[in-house]
Parts: sequence; structure tokens; C-alpha cells
Amino acid sequence: NAGVTQTPKFRVLKTGQSMTLLCAQDMNHEYMYWYRQDPGMGLRLIHYSVGEGTTAKGEVPDGYNVSRLKKQNFLLGLESAAPSQTSVYFCASSYRSGRSGETQYFGPGTRLLVL
Amino acid sequence: AQSVTQLGSHVSVSEGALVLLRCNYSSSVPPYLFWYVQYPNQGLQLLLKYTSAATLVKGINGFEAEFKKSETSFHLTKPSAHMSDAAEYFCAVSTGGGNKLTFGTGTQLKVEL
Repeated sequence: NAGVTQTPKFRVLKTGQSMTLLCAQDMNHEYMYWYRQDPGMGLRLIHYSVGEGTTAKGEVPDGYNVSRLKKQNFLLGLESAAPSQTSVYFCASSYRSGRSGETQYFGPGTRLLVL
Repeated sequence: AQSVTQLGSHVSVSEGALVLLRCNYSSSVPPYLFWYVQYPNQGLQLLLKYTSAATLVKGINGFEAEFKKSETSFHLTKPSAHMSDAAEYFCAVSTGGGNKLTFGTGTQLKVEL
């Protein structure tokens, strides 16, 4: 099992450019998440999905869009990148159960620099 | 709304000394609490979690944490630090629907000879 994988590992964008980050998981998890990590701020939830075809906003959704067309993939899009979106982006996934407390499994991250 | 506070953004200990990383939570419902570790340039790895079973939770690499409801705390400890423990540690609380996590701001652990 590869677990959670992210593509690309590193990217440099110019302000106004667009890009898509891809997350894939092979654990048959229902739930998937996108976080951003900034120094001194921990990880903050951008968007999440509780199943194929569904998405929801997290704590910091502005400037991002997501899609979950297939159960194993969760895409994060930046339509017009801004320097404030320079960050490390992590994808995670977890099982669905009737309660909280399921472990989230994280990918290795994507470093994004917006100039 | 749930929240997590980690006291001390940087902690330095000597090799072989006790490691204590502090985490306090705020939750309107019984919480599910997690400690994750992040090594340089890597993703997050689960150390341990509390899901309302035993209040003393043992994790990987000799770490453990005790859930104290009266103090709203979930501090992480390890009796004897090793150089390989140097990393950033995050406390998190699960926030209900969708199993979402709210993270603390992290504590960078440095282990010195």
C-alpha cells in the first residue's frame, strides 16, 4: 500500500497562475481532507470530503476549490494564485465511522511558492 | 467550538531527560484527542490518540499521554529523550461531523547531547 500520495512535491507559481494539487489514497477511505501548514499556525483545514461527489468548506477555504470525482482522489485547485497561498499543503484521509476519533493518515506534502 | 492550545513553541531537553509537551483543549462535548509527530520535510504520523477508553494512552516510540478532564489537558510525555525524538509535535482535537481535526500550533522539540 502506498497510503496517501501527493503530486507534485514542489511547485513555484507566479501570482495569478493556476494549478491543481492531486491527492490519491489506496486505503478505500471515505473521508479526505486538505490542510495548509504555515509557520507558527499549525495545520488549518481548507476543504474536506465525506464521500465521492461531496465536498465541504473548512476553516480557510477562500481562494481554493476542490473536487472528489473518484473515491480515491481529492483535487485542490488554485484558480489565481496569490503570495498569501505560499504554504505547505497536506492531504489526509480516514475511515468513516459512526463517531469521531478515526485516525487521519497524511501524505508527504506539497510545497508551494507563489512569487 | 473545539480548540487546542500548546504551551511552548520550542522545548529543549538533554538526551536521556524527561520529555513533557503540554496540550490543553476546549470542547463542548467529550473530546477525541490526538498527538501527531512531524519529522523534517515529512508528513504527520500518529503517535497516539484518546477515544474515551483508558485515560492513560500509550503510543509509539515510548510516548504516552494522560487525559485529565478536570484540567482539560492531554500532555505528552516520554521518560527518556533520544536524539531521534527531535521533531515537531502537534496536538489535535476531533471536531465532530466529518471527523475533522483542529490542530494546535505545534511544539518543536530539540534534543541536545
